[in-house]
Amino acid sequence: AQKITQTQPGMFVQEKEAVTLDCTYDTSDQSYGLFWYKQPSSGEMIFLIYQGSYDEQNATEGRYSLNFQKARKSANLVISASQLGDSAMYFCAMRVMYNNNDMRFGAGTRLTVKP
Amino acid sequence: DTAVSQTPKYLVTQMGNDKSIKCEQNLGHDTMYWYKQDSKKFLKIMFSYNNKELIINETVPNRFSPKSPDKAHLNLHINSLELGDSAVYFCASSPWDNQETQYFGPGTRLLVL
Repeated sequence: AQKITQTQPGMFVQEKEAVTLDCTYDTSDQSYGLFWYKQPSSGEMIFLIYQGSYDEQNATEGRYSLNFQKARKSANLVISASQLGDSAMYFCAMRVMYNNNDMRFGAGTRLTVKP
Repeated sequence: DTAVSQTPKYLVTQMGNDKSIKCEQNLGHDTMYWYKQDSKKFLKIMFSYNNKELIINETVPNRFSPKSPDKAHLNLHINSLELGDSAVYFCASSPWDNQETQYFGPGTRLLVL
């Protein structure tokens, strides 16, 4: 069975600094996708970044990058130059490609950016 | 310009009642989903529908029934509400040929008293 683990319930970072949010996953499938979502206090879920298991390069989207280490089964999110608006819950998720409609989420990490 | 919308945003009701949450997407996506986020923030998939066909059902009680009148709508009907049903319910959609992401609705906060 697929499993997503986020071991950091809460993280603090100083404004303008970089922060890494950890995510490890467990699957026996070779083809899968990894996602990060942001959930601000308003509650909506916002897609941030995607990494395919066969992608050789780490995904980047603006200030977000995904540190993908396939052998270690980790997909950490790196946020550079943190902003106060980055304070939110962050969820890591995984979907195996043989079952496109089964998406598993981690427990989430609450990030607080300090001014 | 709302991509995925849900109504109502808040729902407070008594135990034993039957309620529905509506979801609509204007993205032309083929697949829609319902997720439940509990008080500990765990997000679990409940259902997905592709072209009116139920794809998965994650051991959800049969008091929960998804209803899809057309490709753009996937409503969630809940019978005999229980205290443990209190949660935030998210609707989402994705195109069948691009599984890279799902677009989420704003969520419906359900409180069962």
